[in-house]
Amino acid sequence: GAGVSQSPSNKVTEKGKDVELRCDPISGHTALYWYRQSLGQGLEFLIYFQGNSAPDKSGLPSDRFSAERTGGSVSTLTIQRTQQEDSAVYLCASSPKPQLAVGPGGTQYFGPGTRLLVL
Amino acid sequence: LAKTTQPISMDSYEGQEVNITCSHNNIATNDYITWYQQFPSQGPRFIIQGYKTKVTNEVASLFIPADRKSSTLSLPRVSLSDTAVYYCLVASGNTPLVFGKGTRLSVIA
Repeated sequence: GAGVSQSPSNKVTEKGKDVELRCDPISGHTALYWYRQSLGQGLEFLIYFQGNSAPDKSGLPSDRFSAERTGGSVSTLTIQRTQQEDSAVYLCASSPKPQLAVGPGGTQYFGPGTRLLVL
Repeated sequence: LAKTTQPISMDSYEGQEVNITCSHNNIATNDYITWYQQFPSQGPRFIIQGYKTKVTNEVASLFIPADRKSSTLSLPRVSLSDTAVYYCLVASGNTPLVFGKGTRLSVIA
């Protein structure tokens, strides 16, 4: 079946402009995550959606970053007034129905990412 | 969330067995140990997950000692296509994962 898809695959923008990144999770997956990966670095958690619960925004680096998830499916990550340090690969992942707190960590399925370059 | 420590990089020749060890001294009772693989220009991909002792699948084996403060990912007979970054994580339930810098494995012909 189809995996996680993200668009655009590449985005070049000018400093100060707003950008929107889209994620289409695997159908039926209730959990959706956004991560950021700078060159040569590990992944940095940004935000987490689980069903209809309030999202966990604890990883967002500033108030310029926001995300929505409409209808429990597609998600959009918005970066306002982009800065050069926002340049990175933005990865989206989804995971099936939540498991009990005592149990395996939910396997996350990642999309190919969006490569953002802020000039 | 438990912090993990793993080597920054490793080199291996084709056909050899590669063992990557990860330390997670403050792992919680509910935490599972999961390894992901990331190729250049791709998102991470789940490899294997375990709680204790040994787990084996078609890709790798995972060895976890009784105290669970470390784990070892074993890749049998690596090939050039196994060149990637390997991440060790500990977590429970459906929680955001904390990725470190991982171990960059380079397989040499």
